[in-house]
Amino acid sequence: ETGVTQSPTHLIKTRGQQVTLRCSSQSGHNTVSWYQQALGQGPQFIFQYYREEENGRGNFPPRFSGLQFPNYSSELNVNALELDDSALYLCASSLGGALTEAFFGQGTRLTVV
Amino acid sequence: AQRVTQPEKLLSVFKGAPVELKCNYSYSGSPELFWYVQYSRQRLQLLLRHISRESIKGFTADLNKGETSFHLKKPFAQEEDSAMYYCALSGPSYGQNFVFGPGTRLSVLP
Repeated sequence: ETGVTQSPTHLIKTRGQQVTLRCSSQSGHNTVSWYQQALGQGPQFIFQYYREEENGRGNFPPRFSGLQFPNYSSELNVNALELDDSALYLCASSLGGALTEAFFGQGTRLTVV
Repeated sequence: AQRVTQPEKLLSVFKGAPVELKCNYSYSGSPELFWYVQYSRQRLQLLLRHISRESIKGFTADLNKGETSFHLKKPFAQEEDSAMYYCALSGPSYGQNFVFGPGTRLSVLP
């Protein structure tokens, strides 16, 4: 059984650019959630995908978009990057359902300059 | 609105002393409450959830709906407990969308 893996681990982008972050969910998990964690704060929910459909969204603008593939891996895309988008982006996978455990990846550290 | 507050950014205790990490929440309905922990250079991981009523690594947490609190307690802190602790809530809808608190860094001194 493999854990949740995210790529890349770090990247630096320029304001206005676009970025794609990737997440491979834990084997057998059909639900992926994305979180943004700014420095000194707790993770904030961006959105969740269940079986390739968006299944909930937090308070983030439309320039944050996502995708889930048939193998349940997922991408987070952010367009028109702003300096405030600099954060750690976390992916979590689960089997879905309110009582199942979510497993987190190690995160991608995005710096926007 | 759903919200989780953790009033202490940093909590320092000596080894063997009792520990209480405070968590309060606001939620209209019946939330699920969790504690997540992040040890140094490790990923965020589940410590315990209220519905399981379990004790993990000596930690317990009781949901107090009247005070809307879910404080994390351990009678005797160990140095290996030093970590970042996040309280989180989730609604009973399908899937887990967590609302996390800002976290408390626990430092257990020798």
